[in-house]
Amino acid sequence: DIVMTQSPDSLAVSLGERATINCKSSQSVLYNSNNKNYLAWYRQKPGQPPKLIIYWASTRESGVPDRFSGSGSGTDFTLSISSLQAEDVAVYYCQQYFSTPRTFGQGTKVEIK
Amino acid sequence: QVQLVESGGGVVQPGRSLRLSCTASGFMFNSYAMHWVRQAPGKGLEWVALLSYDGSTKYYADSVKGRFTISRDNSKNTLYLQMNSLRVEDTAVYYCAKDGPWFDPWGQGTLVTVSS
Repeated sequence: DIVMTQSPDSLAVSLGERATINCKSSQSVLYNSNNKNYLAWYRQKPGQPPKLIIYWASTRESGVPDRFSGSGSGTDFTLSISSLQAEDVAVYYCQQYFSTPRTFGQGTKVEIK
Repeated sequence: QVQLVESGGGVVQPGRSLRLSCTASGFMFNSYAMHWVRQAPGKGLEWVALLSYDGSTKYYADSVKGRFTISRDNSKNTLYLQMNSLRVEDTAVYYCAKDGPWFDPWGQGTLVTVSS
């Protein structure tokens, strides 16, 4: 099974400042035949189901603000929120869909400082 | 719009059974694989099971293998999760999700509480 490890577990950022979340996979999720990283990011607000925000490691889902960006390849990935807004308070999860079982990181809680 | 609605959750004693349903609308249900994912209270997300578009291929997390069965009825646009021999540690909100191959969208979830 591919183990996904996020860091930090939580972070507090001032409004308008950058938030950065890291995600590391125990093996590469880059599929060489199409050069795509099988990595997604989700945001879960309190009391709501998770919502897809990034797929293929760096493609924003339709309707997701451009302050959200994903980067990385192979085993190391990053989700950045360029200018944190109050509505971004949530738990963020990375997930690999390279192989089954599909696995998630443990989550990173983002709060306002 | 694409929508998934789960039902069937509730309170059940350890060792008993429960069947969850997920009704889909707004997309060609019979063309997509589907997943169940669960979230224990205050915890992270755990993938539970995957079923291919035609029901021919199934995968399970080790934690539920042999106890849970995923199935679908494409004529009713419905996904199921039959949960047998339930344990206290199966207590969670259970979500269904459409395969993309990422998970999108997710349903609102249904709470299963296993308690004596």
